[in-house]
Amino acid sequence: LAKTTQPISMDSYEGQEVNITCSHNNIATNDYITWYQQFPSQGPRFIIQGYKTKVTNEVASLFIPADRKSSTLSLPRVSLSDTAVYYCLVGEGSSNTGKLIFGQGTTLQVKP
Amino acid sequence: GAVVSQHPSRVICKSGTSVKIECRSLDFQATTMFWYRQFPKQSLMLMATSNEGSKATYEQGVEKDKFLINHASLTLSTLTVTSAHPEDSSFYICSAPLDSYGYTFGSGTRLTVV
Repeated sequence: LAKTTQPISMDSYEGQEVNITCSHNNIATNDYITWYQQFPSQGPRFIIQGYKTKVTNEVASLFIPADRKSSTLSLPRVSLSDTAVYYCLVGEGSSNTGKLIFGQGTTLQVKP
Repeated sequence: GAVVSQHPSRVICKSGTSVKIECRSLDFQATTMFWYRQFPKQSLMLMATSNEGSKATYEQGVEKDKFLINHASLTLSTLTVTSAHPEDSSFYICSAPLDSYGYTFGSGTRLTVV
């Protein structure tokens, strides 16, 4: 699985847009990019997945440039409840049976 | 959506005893489940892959005799921490891949060994 690199931590304020970038220079042709959110003492929760360009759902957007060597998770107008750890993972999305290897993640702290 | 139910959510046990953690897939069949351990302020560390009807596959450095995994049915995988010691205190999480894409995770088990 391709290794990912993210900032260890980020701070933001309520109402701001937050962008978390993940580097995955060794991404393979078949790899999808998936982001998970984890609150303290809970299991990770799926946020969004994409392969290229832009994907948007009700909670976030995912921007992937043409070379796919990085991706950016965008959280619009964050609230205090968005304080969590965000993980970027890269792997085969369409035939998920392989193990997920987590990187260090980005701890997002949203302040009032 | 697909849910993995993990129990117990927290457990305290005495050193030397064994603890069993269960993960059930509620509305889908999971031929594979993954078990993770997470220490405070650290990321999830994959311990083993549980395969229905066959032996689990353990990651390097994880003692298979200490962390017993059983996946006897398509909806249940269990992790037993045998002869637990304080250093085994951690947050244990199970996960299962979904047919569509992504993985679903259990809510985790906080194990404290005293």
